[in-house]
Amino acid sequence: DAGVIQSPRHEVTEMGQEVTLRCKPISGHNSLFWYRQTMMRGLELLIYFNNNVPIDDSGMPEDRFSAKMPNASFSTLKIQPSEPRDSAVYFCASSMRQRNEKLFFGSGTQLSVL
Amino acid sequence: AQSVAQPEDQVNVAEGNPLTVKCTYSVSGNPYLFWYVQYPNRGLQFLLKYITGDNLVKGSYGFEAEFNKSQTSFHLKKPSALVSDSALYFCAVRVLFGNEKLTFGTGTRLTIIP
Repeated sequence: DAGVIQSPRHEVTEMGQEVTLRCKPISGHNSLFWYRQTMMRGLELLIYFNNNVPIDDSGMPEDRFSAKMPNASFSTLKIQPSEPRDSAVYFCASSMRQRNEKLFFGSGTQLSVL
Repeated sequence: AQSVAQPEDQVNVAEGNPLTVKCTYSVSGNPYLFWYVQYPNRGLQFLLKYITGDNLVKGSYGFEAEFNKSQTSFHLKKPSALVSDSALYFCAVRVLFGNEKLTFGTGTRLTIIP
């Protein structure tokens, strides 16, 4: 298995632009998580899905952030409009909910908003 | 609410010496505890987990962790450190059989000195 795949690996954009981060979870996993990592705040859970349904989005910082999971093999995290304070590493992770399994993380997307 | 505290931002250990990375947690209900490791420019990787049973759990790369309910701690340990153990270590907690939301600590940077 290729593991959790995230794209792009790096994204540099200007303030005000729309940014879309993508994630392909491990085949067969039915839970998907989006985390943000910064030096100041550490790892924060933004949102998670179970069977493609958003379960907890309490960590989404503002309305500028949105996430979708149209099917079991794809999810997006969108920021519109982006701001410099959104600069961080964004991780996607997936797991098998029924087995109380550990999370498998992707390699992350390094986002820089100038 | 659930939370994790990792009181040390940085731990330095001489190669061959035992190491301990500290973690305390707070959760409403029975805890489900994890340790993850992060190498530079990579996503987090699972090391070990505690659900129930023996308070000493063994994981990958010779690491183990000791669960102490009375002290609400879950310290990571290794009898003999290797230079390759140098990385960022995260403790995490969630409620057993509850919401899948996994809360991470701020991380401890472990440096093994040759």
